[in-house]
Amino acid sequence: AQKVTQAQTEISVVEKEDVTLDCVYETRDTTYYLFWYKQPPSGELVFLIRRNSFDEQNEISGRYSWNFQKSTSSFNFTITASQVVDSAVYFCALSEVFSSGSARQLTFGSGTQLTVLP
Amino acid sequence: NAGVTQTPKFQVLKTGQSMTLQCAQDMNHNSMYWYRQDPGMGLRLIYYSASEGTTDKGEVPNGYNVSRLNKREFSLRLESAAPSQTSVYFCASSAGQGNQPQHFGDGTRLSIL
Repeated sequence: AQKVTQAQTEISVVEKEDVTLDCVYETRDTTYYLFWYKQPPSGELVFLIRRNSFDEQNEISGRYSWNFQKSTSSFNFTITASQVVDSAVYFCALSEVFSSGSARQLTFGSGTQLTVLP
Repeated sequence: NAGVTQTPKFQVLKTGQSMTLQCAQDMNHNSMYWYRQDPGMGLRLIYYSASEGTTDKGEVPNGYNVSRLNKREFSLRLESAAPSQTSVYFCASSAGQGNQPQHFGDGTRLSIL
């Protein structure tokens, strides 16, 4: 069975600090997809990024960057120069797929509450 | 551009009452999902529908039923509500392929007294 672990329940940083959110996953499949979602205080879930199991290239989008390492089954998320508006719960999720490519289901980690203090 | 619409946004029920949570998407997505979110536990899948006409159990299906009414709509029913079902419920949809992100509604906050 697939599993996603976000060991950091809560993180608090001061504005402009860099912060890394950890995500470790377990799966027996060779083809899978990893996602990060953001849930701000307003409650909606916002899709941030997707990565497939064959692409270990790191990705940077503005202040956000993602480090995917298959060898350690990790997909970590770094926010550079954090801002108060980054305060949210961040979820890592794993999607396994059938041989047809269709998704089985999305398994979420328990989330990391990030608080950025002014 | 509504995306995924859930109704109602809030609801309070008494133990034993029944109710249906409604979900509709306008993105022509094949797959739809119902999750519940409880403190410290992330989102857990209740039921999903990979395509119109099919439904399957997720991780926590007990006490719930679903109906995929058509391609757009996927409802979740609590037949006899229990306090343990107090939660925030999210509906989501996706194109259905594993690499496609799920798009979520704004959630329904349900309290059962």
